[in-house]
Amino acid sequence: RKEVEQDPGPFNVPEGATVAFNCTYSNSASQSFFWYRQDCRKEPKLLMSVYSSGNEDGRFTAQLNRASQYISLLIRDSKLSDSATYLCVVNPAHSGGGADGLTFGKGTHLIIQP
Amino acid sequence: GAVVSQHPSRVICKSGTSVKIECRSLDFQATTMFWYRQFPKKSLMLMATSNEGSKATYEQGVEKDKFLINHASLTLSTLTVTSAHPEDSSFYICSAEGTGDGYTFGSGTRLTVV
Repeated sequence: RKEVEQDPGPFNVPEGATVAFNCTYSNSASQSFFWYRQDCRKEPKLLMSVYSSGNEDGRFTAQLNRASQYISLLIRDSKLSDSATYLCVVNPAHSGGGADGLTFGKGTHLIIQP
Repeated sequence: GAVVSQHPSRVICKSGTSVKIECRSLDFQATTMFWYRQFPKKSLMLMATSNEGSKATYEQGVEKDKFLINHASLTLSTLTVTSAHPEDSSFYICSAEGTGDGYTFGSGTRLTVV
C-alpha cells in the first residue's frame, strides 16, 4: 500500500464552483500534514497546514480525520489561478529525534475552466 | 519568511560528467536539509537527508556514491550527481524546515543528461 494516496485527476471544474480533494495516508503515527500547490515545472509551495480541528484560509478549508487517516482540501469559489497540482504531504513520526523528510502524494491535477 | 535558494535552475551535461547543485538557506540556519527528485508526472521522492557536520542519510535504493551530499555549514548543502547518465535526468529539489509552519523548498534544478 502506498504511503500517501491521492486521486490524480484531472479534475475539470468550472470557475466559481466548489471542489474537494481527499488524501489517505498509511502511517497512523504520522505527526503533521500539509497541502502544497505545485505549478507546472515549478517547486511545491505550501498552501496550508492541516490541523486536527480543521482550519480555513480564505477560500481554502483543510480537515484531518485521524481515525480514518484521511485529509481533505476544499476550495470554494474556484478561480482560474487555482489551476495547479495539489500535493498531499505527510510528515512521518519522528524516531529518535531529528527532522524527517516529507512523504508526498502524487498530486491531484486541478483545471479550472472559464 | 524563510527563503531557500537553489542553483543552478537548469543544467544540461554530457553523460559521464558530474554536476553540483547548491542549496542555501538565506535568512535562517538549517541544520537539516532534504533532497528530493521528481520524474515527469510523478511525485517528489525523498532521496536523502543532509545533516550539517555529519554524513547524509540516504533513502533505500539511493546510491550514496552516486549522489554525494555535503552539508558543510548551517546554510549550505550541495548535491553532486557523479558520472551522470541519461536516467539521472530529473527535477531535483532541496528543502529545509523554515522558521514557521511547513517546509520551504528551493526553486529546483532541472537536470538533463545527454
